[in-house]
Amino acid sequence: EPEVTQTPSHQVTQMGQEVILRCVPISNHLYFYWYRQILGQKVEFLVSFYNNEISEKSEIFDDQFSVERPDGSNFTLKIRSTKLEDSAMYFCANLMGSATDTQYFGPGTRLTVL
Amino acid sequence: DQQVKQNSPSLSVQEGRISILNCDYTNSMFDYFLWYKKYPAEGPTFLISISSIKDKNEDGRFTVFLNKSAKHLSLHIVPSQPGDSAVYFCAASGRVLGNTGKLIFGQGTTLQVKP
Repeated sequence: EPEVTQTPSHQVTQMGQEVILRCVPISNHLYFYWYRQILGQKVEFLVSFYNNEISEKSEIFDDQFSVERPDGSNFTLKIRSTKLEDSAMYFCANLMGSATDTQYFGPGTRLTVL
Repeated sequence: DQQVKQNSPSLSVQEGRISILNCDYTNSMFDYFLWYKKYPAEGPTFLISISSIKDKNEDGRFTVFLNKSAKHLSLHIVPSQPGDSAVYFCAASGRVLGNTGKLIFGQGTTLQVKP
């Protein structure tokens, strides 16, 4: 069964540094998402991406965040200047593109900001 | 913003018995509901879904029931197995809005199935 993969599995960074989280989605899926889960809290939507542009973003997804799909394969989430409160699990998800489709999630990247 | 709520943070059942996990929602525009299972340090794994045009969907040991008038859904696992022990998330989406398919998650219920 096709899988969503994410790298790295764990990223430790200093506050103020830039991080890039990477995702390889399932091929021929059309919609891409980033979610995060702060320890002990619910999974929260960050952003959706379709046809090479952001289709929806949450309040969390401020100017410090950006997404792109640079080579038509990898889907990346960049945090320009990390804060302590960005420490969380970040999940990539994708969906093929019809109303009955399911979002499939990657294993996540644990981001620790010191 | 508690659009999707799972009011029971944990549930413990005996192996072989039925597990019932509950979920309530407030937004009547949600029309697609999913259950995900999650182990620590892993991503959510899709279990089962239901469209708002149905009131029941079954897949093996898993059945999801939807009560639109009560804005309530439940996941039944019969019989429960120790390997079912995990965190279960209810999620909702409002596709009729033509939205992007983003999922709104509940807080999760930790299920423990005792041998």
